[in-house]
Amino acid sequence: GESVGLHLPTLSVQEGDNSIINCAYSNSASDYFIWYKQESGKGPQFIIDIRSNMDKRQGQRVTVLLNKTVKHLSLQIAATQPGDSAVYFCAENMLNNDMRFGAGTRLTVKP
Amino acid sequence: DAEITQSPRHKITETGRQVTLACHQTWNHNNMFWYRQDLGHGLRLIHYSYGVHDTNKGEVSDGYSVSRSNTEDLPLTLESAASSQTSVYFCASSESLRNTQYFGPGTRLTVL
Repeated sequence: GESVGLHLPTLSVQEGDNSIINCAYSNSASDYFIWYKQESGKGPQFIIDIRSNMDKRQGQRVTVLLNKTVKHLSLQIAATQPGDSAVYFCAENMLNNDMRFGAGTRLTVKP
Repeated sequence: DAEITQSPRHKITETGRQVTLACHQTWNHNNMFWYRQDLGHGLRLIHYSYGVHDTNKGEVSDGYSVSRSNTEDLPLTLESAASSQTSVYFCASSESLRNTQYFGPGTRLTVL
């Protein structure tokens, strides 16, 4: 999962395996959540979003799960590829429309 | 294709100098944002704008200012650069407040 600190949490997976990246969000009133992917030297790139009236949303090879009871968000990547190696972070839209971003998790895919 | 660009991509300056970072988007989004990203931290909001002539302070606004004279641009100015402002700066825009923010490629600023 994500945490604030000097070192990002890391996840290392074998190419072809599924990846699960976790995020704990802070505000129970947040109603919109986004996962971003950030490759080295680039800006964050939108992957998938989910609103609080849903608990699951699927995209191409990615699935986001939302558990409002424990304020937990996860990103599942199916058949992980080397191009998926990046930092992934979640964002929550707070009630006052502030967007708060997690520090991120570094995903490394081993060939 | 619509996009969001930032310039310069890299900048080295000295303490005390004024620096302006440019952000330009062609999506015609009303909302624009400036963030800084430091190792081990999530993106932190510096300033944001909901439209022309509108500007608001974010979480870490001290030492920074913005102006919004048109829809496309939101330049970020460091009035007197400090070493603590060495960071990577990202500009973002969104169509509405409860929609996805799209980010530029970033500007790496080093203050010596």
